[in-house]
Amino acid sequence: GAVVSQHPSRVICKSGTSVKIECRSLDFQATTMFWYRQFPKKSLMLMATSNEGSKATYEQGVEKDKFLINHASLTLSTLTVTSAHPEDSSFYICSAGRTGGTEAFFGQGTRLTVV
Amino acid sequence: DAKTTQPNSMESNEEEPVHLPCNHSTISGTDYIHWYRQLPSQGPEYVIHGLTSNVNNRMASLAIAEDRKSSTLILHRATLRDAAVYYCILRDSWDDKIIFGKGTRLHILP
Repeated sequence: GAVVSQHPSRVICKSGTSVKIECRSLDFQATTMFWYRQFPKKSLMLMATSNEGSKATYEQGVEKDKFLINHASLTLSTLTVTSAHPEDSSFYICSAGRTGGTEAFFGQGTRLTVV
Repeated sequence: DAKTTQPNSMESNEEEPVHLPCNHSTISGTDYIHWYRQLPSQGPEYVIHGLTSNVNNRMASLAIAEDRKSSTLILHRATLRDAAVYYCILRDSWDDKIIFGKGTRLHILP
C-alpha cells in the first residue's frame, strides 16, 4: 500500500534554532500534502496545506513565517519550525493521498522538543 | 465543515465486539463518512469509509443509518492492539482536507 514517511521521528533542539521536518510519499506522487500538530491528549489540528510548486495555504492563526513549508517535488514536503521556542514542542504529522483516491495516508509523526 | 459528535471514551473487553457511535446530523448529500484511528505515538491510519450503504473490510464494519445522520463503527472482536483514539470524519468527495474532531478513546480490557 501507499506509505508516507516522516523524518526525523523525534528531535530535540535548543530555543532559537530552526528545525526541518521532512514528509515523503514513497510510492505515489502527491501534489498536495497536509501538516498537522498535536498536543498531548488532544486531537490533530490542521496547520497548513502544502501545494507542489506553489505557496502553502495556512489555517487561521498559524504563523506562516514561523512554520515554513516547501513542497518542491511531487514526493517531498518540508516543514521548518523557525526560531523554535518551548511552546512549539509538539507532535507534528503530515499526510497525503493519491490523486482521485479517498484514503489519506499519514506519516508516523515527529516529536519535537524545544529546550 | 459538517460536525461529528462522538463519546469521549469507551471501554470494552478483549475478544468482544465494540460499537463506536458517531452522530452527524448536519451531514450533506455529498459527504462521505470516514473513520480513522490513532494508536499511541503514531500518525492516524485509515479504517473504513462509506456513503450510504453499510461497508465491511478486514479491519471493521461501518453501519450507516438510513437518514445518514449517524453511523457506527463495529470492531467484531477487539484485541488489545485496537486500543486507540477513533475519529469519525465527514469529507466531501472533492475535498482532500481532513479536519479531526475530538474522537473516542477506546480502552480494551484484558
